[in-house]
Amino acid sequence: KQEVTQIPAALSVPEGENLVLNCSFTDSAIYNLQWFRQDPGKGLTSLLLIQSSQREQTSGRLNASLDKSSGRSTLYIAASQPGDSATYLCAVRPTNAGKSTFGDGTTLTVKP
Amino acid sequence: SAVISQKPSRDICQRGTSLTIQCQVDSQVTMMFWYRQQPGQSLTLIATANQGSEATYESGFVIDKFPISRPNLTFSTLTVSNMSPEDSSIYLCSVDPDETQYFGPGTRLLVL
Repeated sequence: KQEVTQIPAALSVPEGENLVLNCSFTDSAIYNLQWFRQDPGKGLTSLLLIQSSQREQTSGRLNASLDKSSGRSTLYIAASQPGDSATYLCAVRPTNAGKSTFGDGTTLTVKP
Repeated sequence: SAVISQKPSRDICQRGTSLTIQCQVDSQVTMMFWYRQQPGQSLTLIATANQGSEATYESGFVIDKFPISRPNLTFSTLTVSNMSPEDSSIYLCSVDPDETQYFGPGTRLLVL
């Protein structure tokens, strides 16, 4: 059974700092990995999707990497802003029709 | 991509009553997913709804408690029946038309 872990559970940084969020998974046989952002009490917003054949994806100040062999993905946020404060979740899909397994998320606070 | 709307956005309900949550997608999709997110927790898949067939429920979830309708390719409803305070959660509708998973804004339910 796939298990997805996100450490740390919470992170607080000053504005402008670059930071890395971690996502680990136990079964390396994945189809894709997706990073989401969730604001308090809201739904999830897709940030980046990485296919199993890819090493990284970039969108603006965000860069997600994938190392299947070690069961790890990182989300790099450059020049953090207070508006980046949210919970970030990663989800791993085993096949193109399989159900995703979600991590518990990392709650990020960016202080002005 | 897909844009998903949910109604209601939030509700406060009395123990023993039922609430029906609606999910509308802006494009036709084969499968629609219903998730629950209990306070401070990650997402748990309740069931997968295909148009024209009965929903497939995950372990721990039953049709009598969470009946689902899927009358067409853009709409689904989830009913939370005979509610108790333990049902207080955010309920999320999701689709994955292009291998990217998209979520609705969620329905925040508080049961007193």
